[in-house]
Amino acid sequence: GQNIDQPTEMTATEGAIVQINCTYQTSGFNGLFWYQQHAGEAPTFLSYNVLDGLEEKGRFSSFLSRSKGYSYLLLKELQMKDSASYLCAVRDPGSGGSYIPTFGRGTSLIVHP
Amino acid sequence: KAGVTQTPRYLIKTRGQQVTLSCSPISGHRSVSWYQQTPGQGLQFLFEYFSETQRNKGNFPGRFSGRQFSNSRSEMNVSTLELGDSALYLCASSSRGQTSGETQYFGPGTRLLVL
Repeated sequence: GQNIDQPTEMTATEGAIVQINCTYQTSGFNGLFWYQQHAGEAPTFLSYNVLDGLEEKGRFSSFLSRSKGYSYLLLKELQMKDSASYLCAVRDPGSGGSYIPTFGRGTSLIVHP
Repeated sequence: KAGVTQTPRYLIKTRGQQVTLSCSPISGHRSVSWYQQTPGQGLQFLFEYFSETQRNKGNFPGRFSGRQFSNSRSEMNVSTLELGDSALYLCASSSRGQTSGETQYFGPGTRLLVL
């Protein structure tokens, strides 16, 4: 099973940089995902990390340290449209030969002018 | 390419009834995963189907079941509905599913209200 912690809410200013942290405790590990979910909409995939290090994708970057059970999502040059909930999800092996994702409760990011 | 579609989008049922939700994945995707999202518990994995076989199941009671057809469309069923089953039910599709790190594409969800 998994235990995933991320802050409930964060606020930031347009144009700034924000880092959303995620810590997890796992009995197994097969990758960590970040999703963005706008209010009233379905989640959309942002990133996937399975090895330690930083993955950069445009304004968004995601970092993973497996030994520390820690990840962060870094958002640069914040825009108003980045106001959303950011979900961290960790996968561990299930019994069916595949993997089961467990999601954190999400971090609600509010970007203000 | 059309996205993931879910029907119906909204549903109102009463306690004790049963409900069937449908999900049509992106063409060519063989994996469909189902999730329940509530304000109290967040997003939780229900089960994954791949090529008509359930690969894994989350921690939900047996009242929650599903199936997948040969065209990869999937249905989930909840029997003997309880008030706590009120939630947004999301499905997501991908080519290889939960065994890979590929992107999952979510449908818009079915919002179920149990009265």
